[in-house]
Amino acid sequence: EVHLLESGGGLVQPGGSLRLSCAASGFTFYHNAMAWVRQGPGKGLEWVSAIAGGGDGETTTYYADSVKGRFTISRDNSKNTLYLHAHSLRADDTAIYYCAKDRGRLLDTGALDLWGQGTMVSVSS
Amino acid sequence: QSALTQPASVSGSPGQSITISCTGTSSDVGRYDLVSWYQHHPGKAPKLMIYEVSKWPSGVSNRFSGSKSGNTASLTISSLQAEDEADYYCCSYADARSSSSSYVFGTGTKVTVL
Repeated sequence: EVHLLESGGGLVQPGGSLRLSCAASGFTFYHNAMAWVRQGPGKGLEWVSAIAGGGDGETTTYYADSVKGRFTISRDNSKNTLYLHAHSLRADDTAIYYCAKDRGRLLDTGALDLWGQGTMVSVSS
Repeated sequence: QSALTQPASVSGSPGQSITISCTGTSSDVGRYDLVSWYQHHPGKAPKLMIYEVSKWPSGVSNRFSGSKSGNTASLTISSLQAEDEADYYCCSYADARSSSSSYVFGTGTKVTVL
C-alpha cells in the first residue's frame, strides 16, 4: 500500500529549529518529486517547498518566499525519506505540515497525488 | 505568488450539482493546463480529485468534473452526497523560473451539504 508518514513536529520557541521527516512506502520513491505543504490554524493550504526526483547529482529544490533562506528540503533515496529542516522559526510558521508526492519527476505536473496525515508544528514561547 | 481565488463557501442539497470556481492569472491558471483539485476532510490527508484540469485519478468518482476557461478553473460536483461535505482546494502550476513558487493553491472552499 502506498503511504506517507510524517514525523518530527512539536512545540518550539521562536527562533528555534526542527527537522521534519516523511517516510515513504509502496512506490518508487527515487523517481518522484516530493513537496511539503502546510496549513496554518484557520487557513488554507500553502505550498512550502519541493525537491525534484530522479537526481543523479545535484537535485533541484524550490521554496516559497515565506520560507526561503530559513527552510531546507532534502531527501535520502536510500531510506525512502524526505526531510524539511526548519530554522529561525516564527509564530506564523505554526501549522500542520503535510508531505506530498508529485505525479512526476520534475515538479511540473501541477498535481500531488499522495499525501500524508501531517505533523503539527507550534511556534510559541 | 498570490493564492488563487475561490469562494469561501458553496452549499447544495443532496442530489444537486454545485460548481466551485478558481480564479488565477495569465501566469498560472491561464497559462498552463496544469490545474488540480483536492478534497480535504479536516484531520485527514488531502485527496487529489482532478488533475490536468479535467482528468480523474484512479478511484475518484466521475461525479467530480473539472474545466477551465481563461484564467478561471472550475470543479463541478454532481449528484451531491453527504460525504462530499469537505474543504476543496484548487492548485495550479506556476513556472518557478518566473515565480516564487512552483505550485500555488487556492484560498479554499467549504462545501456544505444541506
